[in-house]
Amino acid sequence: EAAVTQSPRNKVTVTGGNVTLSCRQTNSHNYMYWYRQDTGHGLRLIHYSYGAGNLQIGDVPDGYKATRTTQEDFFLLLELASPSQTSLYFCASSDSGGKRNTLYFGAGTRLSVL
Amino acid sequence: GQQVQQSPASLVLQEGENAELQCNFSSTATRLQWFYQRPGGSLVSLLYNPSGTKHTGRLTSTTVTKERRSSLHISSSQTTDSGTYFCAMELQVVGQLTFGRGTRLQVYA
Repeated sequence: EAAVTQSPRNKVTVTGGNVTLSCRQTNSHNYMYWYRQDTGHGLRLIHYSYGAGNLQIGDVPDGYKATRTTQEDFFLLLELASPSQTSLYFCASSDSGGKRNTLYFGAGTRLSVL
Repeated sequence: GQQVQQSPASLVLQEGENAELQCNFSSTATRLQWFYQRPGGSLVSLLYNPSGTKHTGRLTSTTVTKERRSSLHISSSQTTDSGTYFCAMELQVVGQLTFGRGTRLQVYA
């Protein structure tokens, strides 16, 4: 079974704080994604990557950086957190060459910026 | 405008009734799939259906790419089906999946 692990599961920080969300997948997938989920907006894509060292911009990238250090690890960085970034963050992975090409999601990280 | 539109936004059913969820999209779509999210939980893939009709258990999805629409039919709904259903697809950019805002389904006994 595909596995995507996010950490931390919950995080509280203050405005202007520095936050790193971590994601690790053990599926040997090429693609990894960071989404945020907010009431009334569904899931919105922040950044994604199709391999180590690669980074692609999603639909709502402002205020976020991301880095894909290895095939397995994808990080989301908030260097000057703002209250508007309070949200539920999901990481996901997929295999671009896979038969089903489906996404596998992590359990989510709930971030509160005070 | 919104590239992926789901309807209805919410749906309340009595156990045993059928549910019909719709997804319409603004341009040619590939890798279309349906996801389920339990309240407070993560998302799990239900069906991968870029075209045609696919079945799994009580779920049936029909995607008509020419008409830019997909549907998810849930037969004989159960209380455990309650949650939010999302459709997602690759629209213009390879590798970039766009989600609809979801249909919130509530099934009561």
